[in-house]
Amino acid sequence: GQQLNQSPQSMFIQEGEDVSMNCTSSSIFNTWLWYKQDPGEGPVLLIALYKAGELTSNGRLTAQFGITRKDSFLNISASIPSDVGIYFCAGPHNNAGNMLTFGGGTRLMVKP
Amino acid sequence: DGGITQSPKYLFRKEGQNVTLSCEQNLNHDAMYWYRQDPGQGLRLIYYSQIVNDFQKGDIAEGYSVSREKKESFPLTVTSAQKNPTAFYLCASKGALWYGYTFGSGTRLTVV
Repeated sequence: GQQLNQSPQSMFIQEGEDVSMNCTSSSIFNTWLWYKQDPGEGPVLLIALYKAGELTSNGRLTAQFGITRKDSFLNISASIPSDVGIYFCAGPHNNAGNMLTFGGGTRLMVKP
Repeated sequence: DGGITQSPKYLFRKEGQNVTLSCEQNLNHDAMYWYRQDPGQGLRLIYYSQIVNDFQKGDIAEGYSVSREKKESFPLTVTSAQKNPTAFYLCASKGALWYGYTFGSGTRLTVV
């Protein structure tokens, strides 16, 4: 079945540093979604990508839809303590339009 | 404002007791989902429902049961057959027009 592999699994960085994480698949996805989960809360949508090569920003966050449609990247610039959480990529399942496939998440920890 | 509400936020139960987690949405979404999340881990699908009076098992349905008698509500029962029920439980819903899920804020279940 479809799988999304996120890397790194976890990151521990200093406040002010930039962060990069990615999500890869052996299957083509036509949409990529990036969610953030604050500790003890439900995931919240950050960015949605709909077109290969698309680059979309949301404040200090920038996400890209890979040209091959098999990967996506999320960058966070000038990290702050409230960036702490788990970042999930997701995409619609090919054979079940109402289902999303989720990556395993990248856990981000920021040292003030 | 429309949204999805999970209650309670924290739940403690004795081993061997069944417990029901509530999930209510007023987004007029047809599809609803239950996920389990263990500490520092990703999301695992328990059950999902595409429409009222219909639901399907996810990847880890054993020891859980659901009902979908109303569009707005999708309660999850954690039964005594679930061997390791202590976890964070997330409910989500999805509308017809877009791929993304809206998540509730979660219920943390602790079985002692």
